Amino acid sequence: NAGVMQNPRHLVRRRGQEARLRCSPMKGHSHVYWYRQLPEEGLKFMVYLQKENIIDESGMPKERFSAEFPKEGPSILRIQQVVRGDSAAYFCASSPYKTGTEAFFGQGTRLTVV
Amino acid sequence: DQQVKQNSPSLSVQEGRISILNCDYTNSMFDYFLWYKKYPAEGPTFLISISSIKDKNEDGRFTVFLNKSAKHLSLHIVPSQPGDSAVYFCAARITGGGNKLTFGTGTQLKVEL
Repeated sequence: NAGVMQNPRHLVRRRGQEARLRCSPMKGHSHVYWYRQLPEEGLKFMVYLQKENIIDESGMPKERFSAEFPKEGPSILRIQQVVRGDSAAYFCASSPYKTGTEAFFGQGTRLTVV
Repeated sequence: DQQVKQNSPSLSVQEGRISILNCDYTNSMFDYFLWYKKYPAEGPTFLISISSIKDKNEDGRFTVFLNKSAKHLSLHIVPSQPGDSAVYFCAARITGGGNKLTFGTGTQLKVEL
């Protein structure tokens, strides 16, 4: 049973470009969470999705950021018109249920905006 | 507003001794607490957790203590091993929020030979 798979592991984008980060949850997991870790900081919650639904997006910046988790395929975190401040490690986590179990994290995507 | 705080950015311990990592929280709505371990360039790995109805949970070398009145929890690792060297994050969540976690800033543990 493969773990949470994120790709790419490293992504370099120029300012103004779009970044697409992908997350394939563990098999049987329908709950996906995205977190961002800025340098020297802890992980910050961004968004919680269940298949085809956004459950909680209270941690998402209001502009340029969006997330989806379609019925088929991976969850996507999209950042439009990236700026230097978007440079961070982005982690995805998944769990099989909403409660009663811990979330399992992927290895992260390190985004560098140049 | 840092609702989960880890005030020690680093801790150095000798192999075989006890490591104690501390965490404080401010939000009284938190009712479940977790510790994650993280190696460089990897994602966090779940270590141990505790519900707010308990004051202690033990799993092998790892024990987590919760003091609700002080809004404080600690992770004890005994005996410490070199492979325990990593960043340890304390996290908290509220029932009903799924795995929406609020993390502390982490403590870098170094276990020396």
